[in-house]
Amino acid sequence: LHLQETGPGLVKPSETLSLTCAVSGDSINSPTYFWGWIRQPPGKGLEWIGDIYHSGSTYYRSSLKSRVTISIDTSKNQLSLKLTSVTPADTAFYYCVRHPAAAGTNWFDSWGQGILVTVSS
Amino acid sequence: DIQMTQSPSSVSASVGDRVTITCRASEGISNYLAWYQQKPGKAPQLLIYTASTLQSGVPSRFSGSRSGTDFTLTISGLQPEDSATYYCQQANTFPWTFGQGTKVDIK
Repeated sequence: LHLQETGPGLVKPSETLSLTCAVSGDSINSPTYFWGWIRQPPGKGLEWIGDIYHSGSTYYRSSLKSRVTISIDTSKNQLSLKLTSVTPADTAFYYCVRHPAAAGTNWFDSWGQGILVTVSS
Repeated sequence: DIQMTQSPSSVSASVGDRVTITCRASEGISNYLAWYQQKPGKAPQLLIYTASTLQSGVPSRFSGSRSGTDFTLTISGLQPEDSATYYCQQANTFPWTFGQGTKVDIK
């Protein structure tokens, strides 16, 4: 399994951060897994952003819910992240991740290499 | 949200030493806890899930245990390649939350 994040490395304050994760080696349409995003400000800890299931059901961190959208494109086998109205506090490494869908198995067994997004004018 | 409190925040040990990292959950999470290893400039990698099950390919010197809401990651026989930051994560309840990390250095 390979997850590859792509997108702009620099976003201006108040604009929208948009990232894509290309998935290879597994189908994003699989009912066995959730797909999602985690971020990590440089030098700091990990923060889960949200998950999406193949059905399109989404689950978001409450503090980001008003600004975040995660979607999937099954034809391209990829998922996307959009975060609106960004501020410098959104500067972070953004990781695309996968975790099993069965109850109680919500650990992240695959991670992309991550992409650094800096919010600055 | 469930808070995960890790200790210590950092530890320095010699090759061959036994290192123990603790993670305490603010409420019961059964055994739904995972541990990750993150080396500088790299993405985290899953080490252990359901508190004590080693992910495929992880050396047997890593082990995990649970006592109530307290969880422990033990490295028995520290190796130079174990220098990294380790995170716990509760996998019981949305939102999934992580500990603040423990940095392990080699003396």
